[in-house]
Amino acid sequence: AQSVTQLDSHVSVSEGTPVLLRCNYSSSYSPSLFWYVQHPNKGLQLLLKYTSAATLVKGINGFEAEFKKSETSFHLTKPSAHMSDAAEYFCVVSAISGNTGKLIFGQGTTLQVKP
Amino acid sequence: NAGVTQTPKFQVLKTGQSMTLQCAQDMNHEYMSWYRQDPGMGLRLIHYSVGAGITDQGEVPNGYNVSRSTTEDFPLRLLSAAPSQTSVYFCASRSALSGVVAQYFGPGTRLTVL
Repeated sequence: AQSVTQLDSHVSVSEGTPVLLRCNYSSSYSPSLFWYVQHPNKGLQLLLKYTSAATLVKGINGFEAEFKKSETSFHLTKPSAHMSDAAEYFCVVSAISGNTGKLIFGQGTTLQVKP
Repeated sequence: NAGVTQTPKFQVLKTGQSMTLQCAQDMNHEYMSWYRQDPGMGLRLIHYSVGAGITDQGEVPNGYNVSRSTTEDFPLRLLSAAPSQTSVYFCASRSALSGVVAQYFGPGTRLTVL
């Protein structure tokens, strides 16, 4: 069965410092992995997605994530946090190899950015 | 393209009332899904559909019904609302193309059951 665990429910950083949001996954298949962001009272927006083409995935707004099969991790990083990055972030794995659209969500990590 | 649209944005129900949350997409996506979002639990899949006329249960289907008569629409019905169904509901769609394809989410419906 597929599952995903976000290791921190809340992360607080100062503006201009690096961001690290941690995610571990479990999958019987070669996983499809995503990071979504949700700003307050908004819908979900795709940040980036993992394809098997490259282990380092670049997304929007300066975010990137590295797929590490040996560690079953897909951590999200950004070199320098901006106030507008304050939001909730979800690590997501596709429930079944490839299709059907069933997604398994992590519990979410709230990112706080302090001035 | 409007993408994925949901109506209403907000709704307050009394226990026992029924209602339908509407979801529509104009991207000709085969796959559509309903999720509920509760604090500290991420999003959980309620029901999903892989095409018109085909639906299946997700992780938390009890108390909800769905149907898929057209590719565009995927309504979610609450037959007898309960306070435990107070949540934010998201509809999503994606293409059936092979490979890693992201889902598109609607803006959500915030439901309160008193």
